[in-house]
Amino acid sequence: QSALTQPASVSGSPGQSITISCTGTSSDVGGYDYVSWYQQHPGKAPKPMIYDVSNRASGVSNRFSGSKSGNTASLTISGLQAEDEADYYCSSYANSNTLVFGGGTTVTVL
Amino acid sequence: VQLVESGGGLVQPGGSLRLYCAASGFTFSTFAMSWVRQAPGKGPEWVSGISNSGSNTYYADSVKGRFTISRDNSKDTLYLQMNSLRAEDTAVYYCASDVDMVKVRGFDYWGHGTLVTVSS
Repeated sequence: QSALTQPASVSGSPGQSITISCTGTSSDVGGYDYVSWYQQHPGKAPKPMIYDVSNRASGVSNRFSGSKSGNTASLTISGLQAEDEADYYCSSYANSNTLVFGGGTTVTVL
Repeated sequence: VQLVESGGGLVQPGGSLRLYCAASGFTFSTFAMSWVRQAPGKGPEWVSGISNSGSNTYYADSVKGRFTISRDNSKDTLYLQMNSLRAEDTAVYYCASDVDMVKVRGFDYWGHGTLVTVSS
């Protein structure tokens, strides 16, 4: 149950687009279309953003989109806004009915 | 939808604690549920999951044999019995509802968490 690999930080200017990667193996990300993304602001619970690779959770802006290629999933935020500044975590279903998270990416809006 | 955790607190190494998660606003018995923890300054770690009926349970290697997940669909409540607690179990424990009925696939609702501190 090794953690998925995410970049520690990603930054962008307001209005720009950024992409966060989430790399796993064929036993998790590459083997199933069950990748989710969560946004977390300091002191708050994680907020679901994307599930099943590319489906937006209820109430989530269409500025957020997800995709996957091979063992790497990606979250793209377009039209970056100040309120998007937060930590983002990916997760994936893995073999043997377990779930693994990524180490997290801090998004900074310049 | 509301998920409200309780039962956290300070416990000595080797001790036990039982966490509770009261669910409301959705049909609890339809969806799989999980416990996810987050140590201070760290990312989330999935701990355990249970299918909608309670027939199937799943555990992370780090807690297998020490933690037991269960649910009472008549009371819309999820439980986590934690035994042989260690300092590294210190974390905020979240209850989360899954988008799936049986397996642990991804979460659509989270509670606000309950803090568990293991220290002498």
